Amino acid sequence: QLQLQESGPGLVTPSETLSLTCSVSGGSIGNSFFYWGWVRQSPGKGLEWLGVINYSGVAFYNPSLSTRVTISVDSSKNEFSLNLNSVTAADTAVYYCARPPWELRPAAAFDIWGQGTLVTVSS
Amino acid sequence: EIVLTQSPGTLSLSPGERATLSCRASQSVSNRYLAWYQQKPGQAPRLLIYGASSRATGIPDRFSGSGSGTDFTLTISRLEPEDFAVYCCQQYGSSPPTFGGGTKVEIK
Repeated sequence: QLQLQESGPGLVTPSETLSLTCSVSGGSIGNSFFYWGWVRQSPGKGLEWLGVINYSGVAFYNPSLSTRVTISVDSSKNEFSLNLNSVTAADTAVYYCARPPWELRPAAAFDIWGQGTLVTVSS
Repeated sequence: EIVLTQSPGTLSLSPGERATLSCRASQSVSNRYLAWYQQKPGQAPRLLIYGASSRATGIPDRFSGSGSGTDFTLTISRLEPEDFAVYCCQQYGSSPPTFGGGTKVEIK
């Protein structure tokens, strides 16, 4: 059974870089053609699609964040990562990693989610 | 990007009643690529419906989706106690995928 687990600092200083990793178990990033994604949810607000990446490193980003966000993949470690630079309090949110039900499609729904990790941006 | 507007913001119903939730898109959603999620406090979203009307694996048949173009509906035929939660729609027909603000279904 595929499982995703986010990890990373729960507190980030304004103007610094938020870095999170999603570890995949029960399945292999490298043996599939899924686009693995990041979604965030600000306190009391809706969900926001941040971007996705496939096993070979092809990534797609939300244009609203594209100048600040980078998603990378390490198939040997079976994990993918999110970097968001120049953070402000507006980036405080629960960050989820997720995987869609279908391969080959960057824009998709997600049926497998990590538990989410709260990242607070504060000095 | 496509903006999704959900209504009502809150729906107060009793167990056993029928729930009808609306999701309206600012532009047509191509190929009916519209999903619905259920989210409970402290939990990740759970995919209920994809392709506007297909139930995800393991989802009870009291959940159904319909619609096309810019207007979509999630119907819960008879509310069970575990169905009281927030429901969110997502379009993935255009990039970037976007989510609605959610409808809270609460116990009356």
